[in-house]
Amino acid sequence: DQQVKQNSPSLSVQEGRISILNCDYTNSMFDYFLWYKKYPAEGPTFLISISSIKDKNEDGRFTVFLNKSAKHLSLHIVPSQPGDSAVYFCAASDETSGSRLTFGEGTQLTVNP
Amino acid sequence: DAGVTQSPTHLIKTRGQQVTLRCSPKSGHDTVSWYQQALGQGPQFIFQYYEEEERQRGNFPDRFSGHQFPNYSSELNVNALLLGDSALYLCASSFQGVTEAFFGQGTRLTVV
Repeated sequence: DQQVKQNSPSLSVQEGRISILNCDYTNSMFDYFLWYKKYPAEGPTFLISISSIKDKNEDGRFTVFLNKSAKHLSLHIVPSQPGDSAVYFCAASDETSGSRLTFGEGTQLTVNP
Repeated sequence: DAGVTQSPTHLIKTRGQQVTLRCSPKSGHDTVSWYQQALGQGPQFIFQYYEEEERQRGNFPDRFSGHQFPNYSSELNVNALLLGDSALYLCASSFQGVTEAFFGQGTRLTVV
């Protein structure tokens, strides 16, 4: 039972353009969502998060949007840079699980110069 | 400030053997979680330790066990290794009650 899904295994964009990574979830108890970035041979690095009481959170070039009714969130990166090329994981938690995270399968983002 | 450190980075074991993986959390963090990441998949939660006790557990068999020490460091033990246990094992640390977790670089376990 995959409670967090990232349906696009890969995404390729040109440098300077917008990257949009999508994530869907099925568990309505999830109330906190996070994005992690992972380079090869490294552990995941926390990028940005959003609480279910918000519908948008912005941090520099990164913005996360949450649509609770659709159980959908997205990560926007603008402008995209070649150094953003990595695997991006969407993760979710609920009030009772705290830092226990449920991850999606990941999306490989490639930003071409 | 050292982040989360894991050892060893790579390990090769034979089916049926036992393995112990180690994790030192980020300075000041008191909660350690372990995840298994199979190839092409996202990390899967194994269990979480706080105050030297297992607080939460994912859908993993009893062959997977752990320990947390008074200095908050942690070990993951896997008995009777199966070929399917081959994966990247990630340790994550956090403050109790805080959702954002910091990950180590992982231990790549190969079972042959």
